[in-house]
Amino acid sequence: QSVLTQPPSASGTPGQRVTISCSGSRSNIVSNFVNWYQQLPGTAPKLLIYSNNQRPSGVPDRFSGSKSGASASLAISGLQSEDEADYYCAAWDDSLNGVVFGGGTKLTVL
Amino acid sequence: QVQLVQSGAEVKKPGASVTVSCKASGYTFTSYYLHWVRQAPGQGLEWVGIINPSGGGRVYAQKFQGRVTMTRDTSTSTVYMELSSLRSEDTAVFYCARGGATLNVSPNYWGQGTMVTVSS
Repeated sequence: QSVLTQPPSASGTPGQRVTISCSGSRSNIVSNFVNWYQQLPGTAPKLLIYSNNQRPSGVPDRFSGSKSGASASLAISGLQSEDEADYYCAAWDDSLNGVVFGGGTKLTVL
Repeated sequence: QVQLVQSGAEVKKPGASVTVSCKASGYTFTSYYLHWVRQAPGQGLEWVGIINPSGGGRVYAQKFQGRVTMTRDTSTSTVYMELSSLRSEDTAVFYCARGGATLNVSPNYWGQGTMVTVSS
């Protein structure tokens, strides 16, 4: 059971907009920044969004992040086949004194 | 550019210990915390702990306390994670990942991962 809650799966067709939610609590998402990661099969996670809504250089602007209260969201617009991957949210948890992850969302491009 | 290069795959017997290394380059080693994250086959990401390369201070996830030890060598910009009393459930890929300049920053740059297999 992960501290941050994500839907286990999401799907969309090419060109569509998809959102993935991440639900937490006061001790993690409310109090600290949220990061999002993309993990392609057999590879290390890659930073997609940091500090709730910032994109590292090289990440397409089709990816965006937001946070409101104890929830965060990752939005992917103009869905492409190469976006098919697992997506994880993460935040520092002040009560646990460590990083907590969501359980991951498997995105399928139909 | 920031690079984290980890040591190679390991196969260990139950009860043994394993040490995974992570060599950092492309930035000032002592300026950023380093995390360790575990991923069992087909499972999600699990935080193991964090080390401050500057002073050596460490915080471990409660689940791993008593079994994990993180150290660093500033002369070679390398951090190490030792996990002892291995059991089959420890079979996983272990990642090192750079954090921020303060403790409460989640990982950003990731190493390539090290597969640790625990099998008799």
